[in-house]
Amino acid sequence: DTAVSQTPKYLVTQMGNDKSIKCEQNLGHDTMYWYKQDSKKFLKIMFSYNNKELIINETVPNRFSPKSPDKAHLNLHINSLELGDSAVYFCASSHTTGRSNTGELFFGEGSRLTVL
Amino acid sequence: GQQVMQIPQYQHVQEGEDFTTYCNSSTTLSNIQWYKQRPGGHPVFLIQLVKSGEVKKQKRLTFQFGEAKKNSSLHITATQTTDVGTYFCAGAAGYSSASKIIFGSGTRLSIRP
Repeated sequence: DTAVSQTPKYLVTQMGNDKSIKCEQNLGHDTMYWYKQDSKKFLKIMFSYNNKELIINETVPNRFSPKSPDKAHLNLHINSLELGDSAVYFCASSHTTGRSNTGELFFGEGSRLTVL
Repeated sequence: GQQVMQIPQYQHVQEGEDFTTYCNSSTTLSNIQWYKQRPGGHPVFLIQLVKSGEVKKQKRLTFQFGEAKKNSSLHITATQTTDVGTYFCAGAAGYSSASKIIFGSGTRLSIRP
């Protein structure tokens, strides 16, 4: 039973298209994240949601819009895809301890996006 | 903003040799975590250090958190081919719900059998 699952695993699309990646966790965690890993393996946080509320929104273009319908799901929609969006996108979740969201991160297997 | 730097970027060792990766933060951290990512895989949590000067061991892996809580290291004794992968440190600053976990740039370990 996969703890954090993302779909699709691979996505190949043309510039200008719109695409979505979905993430679900069955760990009962209340915080979910999107991280972007580029070709040099840098892992950069994009967004964080706690109980469906957006709490971290890094400097990410407006073309990226996260949505959390409930605390077990966090989706990422990307409009007008650009070449530079090619990367692996990782969803992650963690358990909140008190008011701190700095517990262990559980990552999904990643969604590799290739923009042509 | 908060930055977490990690060195070296790459390390290629003979099987059986030791390996160390170092992590430095521009700000004092509330905790530091270490992750391992196998080639083609996803980051997997190894350990979390919270206290100043803390040292933890997991078999051949030794993790340290600096006294000032701004640096950390991971040392692997007698590397094995199963140790291949990229090791990331990840630092958290602050204790609020908006605290971010910032990843270092990673150290990619490759091993000659």
